[in-house]
Amino acid sequence: AQSVAQPEDQVNVAEGNPLTVKCTYSVSGNPYLFWYVQYPNRGLQFLLKYITGDNLVKGSYGFEAEFNKSQTSFHLKKPSALVSDSALYFCAVRDQEGAASKLTFGTGTRLQVTL
Amino acid sequence: EPEVTQTPSHQVTQMGQEVILRCVPISNHLYFYWYRQILGQKVEFLVSFYNNEISEKSEIFDDQFSVERPDGSNFTLKIRSTKLEDSAMYFCASSAVWSYEQYFGPGTRLTVT
Repeated sequence: AQSVAQPEDQVNVAEGNPLTVKCTYSVSGNPYLFWYVQYPNRGLQFLLKYITGDNLVKGSYGFEAEFNKSQTSFHLKKPSALVSDSALYFCAVRDQEGAASKLTFGTGTRLQVTL
Repeated sequence: EPEVTQTPSHQVTQMGQEVILRCVPISNHLYFYWYRQILGQKVEFLVSFYNNEISEKSEIFDDQFSVERPDGSNFTLKIRSTKLEDSAMYFCASSAVWSYEQYFGPGTRLTVT
């Protein structure tokens, strides 16, 4: 069974500083990995994905994520945080088998960016 | 930019009542999903749907739940006899044949009293 772990409930960072939100995964076969962001009273917004290719993937709003197969990690990063990045971030994995495959989500990490 | 829409945004119902949650997926998407998020917990998969039939369902999706695509645009989730523990945010999602990511609607908050 596939699973995702987000070890930090909350990450605090000052505006302008780099941020990292951690994610590790477990899946049989090759993983398809995703990051989503949830703002208050809103749905989940897709940020970026890793399917294959370059280990560093770039996404929306200046976010990027680094896939590390040996550490089974897919950490979300941003070089310079903004107060408006404050939200709940979810890492997700899907089984490569089947086009309608479900996403399995982590428990989420709340990012708080302060001035 | 096309979006997944969901109605209503908030539904309050009494235990034992039937509810229908509605979703309009992105128009050229062919795969549809329902997820739920109980307050303070993670997002959980309920069911996926393709070509007018269920592709996969979780253990949560028991006989009280059903899904339907009644016409070319809507995708619905029905809970026949709601329980207190069904109180959650329900998200609809859709994806295209050629992409791996799923696009989520804003959710329906279901409160069962």
